[in-house]
Amino acid sequence: AQSVTQPDIHITVSEGASLELRCNYSYGATPYLFWYVQSPGQGLQLLLKYFSGDTLVQGIKGFEAEFKRSQSSFNLRKPSVHWSDAAEYFCAVGAADSNYQLIWGAGTKLIIKP
Amino acid sequence: SQTIHQWPATLVQPVGSPLSLECTVEGTSNPNLYWYRQAAGRGLQLLFYSVGIGQISSEVPQNLSASRPQDRQFILSSKKLLLSDSGFYLCAWGGVTGTDTQYFGPGTRLTVL
Repeated sequence: AQSVTQPDIHITVSEGASLELRCNYSYGATPYLFWYVQSPGQGLQLLLKYFSGDTLVQGIKGFEAEFKRSQSSFNLRKPSVHWSDAAEYFCAVGAADSNYQLIWGAGTKLIIKP
Repeated sequence: SQTIHQWPATLVQPVGSPLSLECTVEGTSNPNLYWYRQAAGRGLQLLFYSVGIGQISSEVPQNLSASRPQDRQFILSSKKLLLSDSGFYLCAWGGVTGTDTQYFGPGTRLTVL
């Protein structure tokens, strides 16, 4: 069955520290992968996406993600977090034959310690 | 550029009352449109999607319905709200296939009392 797993419900990181949010997927077709961010009480904003080519993808706000097919993972990273990065992060996967839908992870809430 | 609007931003309704949430998109034609619900502390649940006027697909059986009376208008409705309908409702628009990015509106916070 198609699924996206974000193993960490919450992650707490000190401001200035590095960050890695995990995303694992199970998808029969060639995956198209997305990371979105949601600030409290707001809609979702696209951070980055991977369709093909270079497996290291750069996004907005200093984020990057690496697609590892062998591990079925698409982890999100940032070298140094800022207090404004506190938000909820969602991983999603789609495919050309997915009938217009994305499969969503449950989200990881990022908490920044001062 | 494309813009997506949702209103109202917040809504408090009694159990059994009707519901109408509206979503409109500007700057694009014939978008795919989506309604999601996000319950407290949970991920996104796709409720409905539409690939064109009058074309609605439902993903979850429930007491909600959706309509698309115009190309860039998507409405979420209910005749009688339940307590379990409380949540954050997000409208999104996207392209033709599942590979296309979805762009989200600001959301409506619905509380059913």
